[in-house]
Amino acid sequence: DARVTQTPRHKVTEMGQEVTMRCQPILGHNTVFWYRQTMMQGLELLAYFRNRAPLDDSGMPKDRFSAEMPDATLATLKIQPSEPRDSAVYFCASRAGQRGEKLFFGSGTQLSVL
Amino acid sequence: AQKVTQAQTEISVVEKEDVTLDCVYETRDTTYYLFWYKQPPSGELVFLIRRNSFDEQNEISGRYSWNFQKSTSSFNFTITASQVVDSAVYFCALSVARGGAGSYQLTFGKGTKLSVIP
Repeated sequence: DARVTQTPRHKVTEMGQEVTMRCQPILGHNTVFWYRQTMMQGLELLAYFRNRAPLDDSGMPKDRFSAEMPDATLATLKIQPSEPRDSAVYFCASRAGQRGEKLFFGSGTQLSVL
Repeated sequence: AQKVTQAQTEISVVEKEDVTLDCVYETRDTTYYLFWYKQPPSGELVFLIRRNSFDEQNEISGRYSWNFQKSTSSFNFTITASQVVDSAVYFCALSVARGGAGSYQLTFGKGTKLSVIP
């Protein structure tokens, strides 16, 4: 089965450190999303790309977060410097097309910032 | 603005009972898509169903059924004869076109945690 692959699955880091999360979308999917899940806010859209171009990153704190797609098989989400409030589960998702197709989610990266 | 409301934060039922999870959405768009996702304790998000705004036909898949009513902006999910394996957080989501690029974004409700007690 085709799957969205996220690494690492778990990350524990200290405040101030840089964190990089990686995502390999399903081959052929041209739209990639980054979501953050917390108990308080639920699932929030951080950023998304279509054909590797960023379309919307309005949900992302600009001063410390950045998202890129160096190529069609890799999406990255970086936090620098990390803060305890960034602790959350970060999901990557991909889909084929740009309308109502379903999203396929990765297993998530559980981030803990101490 | 788009919004999805799942008023039930947590529900507990005894195994074999039926349970309905409510979802109410808000959008001014005439074309949109509605989804349900399941998040079991393992954490991954599993797709369950998608409906588009032009198709109000209800759907049944095994013990799962969905009732879509545009008149009340609701897309409710019923599990018949619940089982322990149904214990999970269930998310309702709305997809509408956003921004100049017109690409569809998914907005999630806060989720309903279902616990099925043996």
